[in-house]
Amino acid sequence: EPEVTQTPSHQVTQMGQEVILRCVPISNHLYFYWYRQILGQKVEFLVSFYNNEISEKSEIFDDQFSVERPDGSNFTLKIRSTKLEDSAMYFCASMKEAANGYTFGSGTRLTVV
Amino acid sequence: RKEVEQDPGPFNVPEGATVAFNCTYSNSASQSFFWYRQDCRKEPKLLMSVYSSGNEDGRFTAQLNRASQYISLLIRDSKLSDSATYLCVVFSSGGYNKLIFGAGTRLAVHP
Repeated sequence: EPEVTQTPSHQVTQMGQEVILRCVPISNHLYFYWYRQILGQKVEFLVSFYNNEISEKSEIFDDQFSVERPDGSNFTLKIRSTKLEDSAMYFCASMKEAANGYTFGSGTRLTVV
Repeated sequence: RKEVEQDPGPFNVPEGATVAFNCTYSNSASQSFFWYRQDCRKEPKLLMSVYSSGNEDGRFTAQLNRASQYISLLIRDSKLSDSATYLCVVFSSGGYNKLIFGAGTRLAVHP
């Protein structure tokens, strides 16, 4: 069964540092997403990406965040200057069409110290 | 009102029990609905889509009431392996841009 692959599985970074979270969506999917889940809280939408551009972003996705699909296979989330409150599980997801829902990657646990 | 609201849980049930989860959503224009399952510290996994006519997948039955903006999930003959958090999920209206997640209901099935 096709998978969404995320790396690394766990990243520890110092406050103020830049991090890049990587994702390889399923190859024939067209819609790409990042979500985050702070420990003990619900899954929150960050950004959606379609046709090589952001289609929607949440209030969480401020100027410190950016996404890229540099080579047609990878989909990255960059946080420029991490804050303690950015500590969370970050999930990448991709979708072919709405009726099928999303497929999520296994997540990257980001710990900002 | 929250966009997607679920039973707070947790539900603690014995093996073999039938358990029902409820969910309400606020946006009447929402078009697509799902139940996801999330194990501790893992990614959400699609359990089933929810169709207007109701649908069944083995021991799982999902129902949608558009008039009441209400979604349900019924699990029959609970197994230990059903222990997880069940997430009610709604596509935001106006397109396929994002899923809105409920906070989830935790289910613990005990022997």
